[in-house]
Amino acid sequence: EIVMTQSPATLSVSPGERATLSCRASQSVSSNLAWYQQKPGQAPRLLIYGASTRATGIPARFSGSGSGTDFTLTISSLQSEDFAVYYCQQYNNWITFGQGTRLEIK
Amino acid sequence: QLQLQESGPGLVKPSETLSLTCTVSGGSISRSSDYWGWIRQPPGKGLEWIGSIYYSGSTYYNPSLKSRVTISVDTSKNQFSLKLSSVTAADTAVYYCARHDRYETFDIWGQGTMVTVSS
Repeated sequence: EIVMTQSPATLSVSPGERATLSCRASQSVSSNLAWYQQKPGQAPRLLIYGASTRATGIPARFSGSGSGTDFTLTISSLQSEDFAVYYCQQYNNWITFGQGTRLEIK
Repeated sequence: QLQLQESGPGLVKPSETLSLTCTVSGGSISRSSDYWGWIRQPPGKGLEWIGSIYYSGSTYYNPSLKSRVTISVDTSKNQFSLKLSSVTAADTAVYYCARHDRYETFDIWGQGTMVTVSS
């Protein structure tokens, strides 16, 4: 099983600032990496697939990068609605998720 | 607008079988590009993929759950279903159904249904 490790567990950032979230795979997943946003009481929402392609309707302030084992989700200028939990998911070998990063208001 | 809705008992006894159904509306479950999956999330924890099915009935499961999981599809009702046998408290979670394509990214989700395993 490919283990996905996200860091940090919690990230405190002020509105308007940039947030950088990391995801590392225990072995290469090529570019088969997605990012999701989840708010309390809601289902996850697909943000990024193919490591760097924004899903339909996702604002340009969300960007993804990386390949192989190391990936980054960047939110360029945080809006109030962006504070949530973010998960990475690999789909190169079965499907596994990271444990999540909680993005909170500083 | 495609929508998914989970349904089923919210309480299941230990050692029994958890059964949930996902109803797809606003589109056909038989569309050739679509796969249908189940994902769960224990309270306060992360996401775990359970398994997926194609409208033809072809399935694939998380190896860690494979021995207890059965996913089936009923195209006449536009539904797919999950059965998880021999449940324990560790199976207590919010269960989501979701759509994905062959690249296995989940772009449409149901709202989720909480299932508690308790006597």
